[in-house]
Amino acid sequence: GENVEQHPSTLSVQEGDSAVIKCTYSDSASNYFPWYKQELGKRPQLIIDIRSNVGEKKDQRIAVTLNKTAKHFSLHITETQPEDSAVYFCAASNPNSGYALNFGKGTSLLVTP
Amino acid sequence: NAGVTQTPKFQVLKTGQSMTLQCAQDMNHEYMSWYRQDPGMGLRLIHYSVGAGITDQGEVPNGYNVSRSTTEDFPLRLLSAAPSQTSVYFCASSNTLQAAFFGQGTRLTVV
Repeated sequence: GENVEQHPSTLSVQEGDSAVIKCTYSDSASNYFPWYKQELGKRPQLIIDIRSNVGEKKDQRIAVTLNKTAKHFSLHITETQPEDSAVYFCAASNPNSGYALNFGKGTSLLVTP
Repeated sequence: NAGVTQTPKFQVLKTGQSMTLQCAQDMNHEYMSWYRQDPGMGLRLIHYSVGAGITDQGEVPNGYNVSRSTTEDFPLRLLSAAPSQTSVYFCASSNTLQAAFFGQGTRLTVV
C-alpha cells in the first residue's frame, strides 16, 4: 500500500519567516495530494491540494510543489503569522483505493511573534 | 448544507461492548472513509467505500466493520471494544480528485 513520509515532525519559525514541510510517497498510482491544517480539538481542514498533472499551485501565502519523478511534494507558507500555528498533514490518494487518504504523521508548526 | 455529520461526539465504552459510530453526508459524494487519529500517529485509514454496496479495508481494519447501504450513510461498527480502540475517529467524504470533507470527529474512550 501507499506509504507517506512527512518531515519535519516539529517546526518553529518566527513571525514573517517562511515554513517548508516536505512529504514523500511510494505508490506511483497516487495522483491527488491534499494538505490539511488541524487546530487542537478540531477536524482537519483542507488548505491546498494539487493533482499529478500540475507541478505547482499557489494560493496567496501558501504554495505546493510536486515532483512526480522523485515522488515528493512540499508545502510552502510565506510571511507566517501566529494563526498559522497548527498541525499540518500531507496526504496522497489514488483511484485504486477509492481516493481514500494516506496521511503523513503530521508537522506541528509553531509561529512565534 | 450540513456537510459530513458524525454522531456521537463523545462516547465511553466498557471493554467488550459494541457500538456504532454514525456518519452521514449530504453532498452526494461517491467516496466515504473512516480514520482514527492517535497522538504521534497521524490519521490512519480504517475502511473506505467507493459507492453504495462497496467497501474495502484500509490500514487498520481489525475490530471494525462497515457497510454502505446508501450513498449518504457509512456507519462504523466496533464489534467488541478494546482499550486499544481508544481514539478520535473521523469520517470523510469526497468525489474523484476532489477534497475530502471531514466530520467533526468522535472521541471514544474504552475503559
